[in-house]
Amino acid sequence: DSGVTQTPKHLITATGQRVTLRCSPRSGDLSVYWYQQSLDQGLQFLIQYYNGEERAKGNILERFSAQQFPDLHSELNLSSLELGDSALYFCASSAGEGLAGAEQYFGPGTRLTVT
Amino acid sequence: DQQVKQNSPSLSVQEGRISILNCDYTNSMFDYFLWYKKYPAEGPTFLISISSIKDKNEDGRFTVFLNKSAKHLSLHIVPSQPGDSAVYFCAASLLADKLIFGTGTRLQVFP
Repeated sequence: DSGVTQTPKHLITATGQRVTLRCSPRSGDLSVYWYQQSLDQGLQFLIQYYNGEERAKGNILERFSAQQFPDLHSELNLSSLELGDSALYFCASSAGEGLAGAEQYFGPGTRLTVT
Repeated sequence: DQQVKQNSPSLSVQEGRISILNCDYTNSMFDYFLWYKKYPAEGPTFLISISSIKDKNEDGRFTVFLNKSAKHLSLHIVPSQPGDSAVYFCAASLLADKLIFGTGTRLQVFP
């Protein structure tokens, strides 16, 4: 158990809809990262928040947005969903602002299926 | 543009033997490399890392080797155990920035 929790575990929705994925980092971790893993793909970095502020951005679509709240939990919002958005979405957390030798701890993921 | 590549999607090794997982990268500026292990229905778990100023890091049965001139990273598992069966991802970072992951290699250790 990494200490990172993600809800829901599974999500099935239709094209055009909007969903929200939730992540609670490990106790004391200030950074939250979001990743997408599509079929046969590696983990693609989407976005990082550190202590409520956006810290780094990866290949995140404009239809996607995220935020980190004062209690440090984070939400990833996916809108105007397309079939290609079906994937595993992972959240990870780390203690510091960047890597600097600190590994990221991953949650179990949310499997999103868009039909 | 895949900056971190794991060209072998799968590897099968007998228990007790050495498992060697390979990873190639294209950006010579990467300064930190990590290996993660992932079991089905779980998130990736950190395994071992290496800074670009080193060429080897060892932790128990796991050793990571870095060949900067070849832009090549490898993970050695000795001896391999059935519990090591998982998908292994290598990842690289630049200046403590985001991690860039490879596509993973599925390791199967059979008795």
